[in-house]
Amino acid sequence: EVQVLESGGGLVQPGGSLRLSCAASGFTFSNYAMTWVRQAPGKGLEWVSSISASGATTFYTDSARGRFTILRDTSKNTLYLQMNSLRVEDTAVYYCAKDQDSGWFEWHFDLWGRGTLVTVSS
Amino acid sequence: QSALTQPASVSGSPGQSITISCTGTSRDVGGYNYVSWYQQHPGKAPKVIIFDVSNRPSGVSNRFSGSKSGNTASLTISGLQAEDEADYYCSSYRSTDSLVFGGGTRLTVL
Repeated sequence: EVQVLESGGGLVQPGGSLRLSCAASGFTFSNYAMTWVRQAPGKGLEWVSSISASGATTFYTDSARGRFTILRDTSKNTLYLQMNSLRVEDTAVYYCAKDQDSGWFEWHFDLWGRGTLVTVSS
Repeated sequence: QSALTQPASVSGSPGQSITISCTGTSRDVGGYNYVSWYQQHPGKAPKVIIFDVSNRPSGVSNRFSGSKSGNTASLTISGLQAEDEADYYCSSYRSTDSLVFGGGTRLTVL
C-alpha cells in the first residue's frame, strides 16, 4: 500500500526539541521530493519545509529556518523533521506529504499522512 | 510570509456551481503556474484536487476545475453535492523558493 505515516509528536516545553519521522512505503522514496506541512488547531495549512529527492536541497519557511532541519534517510525510507527551540506557536498537527511527480520540486502533493500532533506548552 | 487571500466561506445549494478565489501577487500566483487546490474534510488529511492551475489528478471528479487570471486563481465546483462540503485551500509556489497557502475557505452545501 502506498502510504506515509508520521510519528514522534507529543508534548514538549517551550525551548525544547522534538524529532518527527515519516515512514514511507509503497513507492520509490528516493525519487520524490518530500514536504512537511503543519496545521495549528482550528487554523489553516502552513508550509514548513521541503527537501529534494536526493536530499541535497532544502527549503524552509522563515519561522522554521535556523530552528528546524529537514532530512531524509533513503536506506530507511524515512523523512525527518528535527525541531529545536520550539515555541508555543509551533503547536500544530504536522503532516508529511509526497510530491505527485518524481524529479525536482513539483510543489503539489498527492500523498499525505494522518499527521502527528505537536503541542508546545509549559 | 503572508498567506494567499481566500474568502472565509462560501455556500451553495445542491446542483449549483460555486467559485472560490485565491489572490496573491506577481511573486506567486501571477508569476508561476504552480497553483494547487486541496480539499480537506474535518479530521482528515488534505487531498489535492487541482494542480498546476487547471489539472485534475486521476480519480478527481470533473466537477472540479481551476483557472487563473493575473494574480488570482479560481476553483469552480459545478453540480454541488453534499460530499463537497469541506475546507478548500489554494497553494502557490513563491519566488523565494517557498510555498504559500491560502487561509482556507469553508464550503457549506445548503
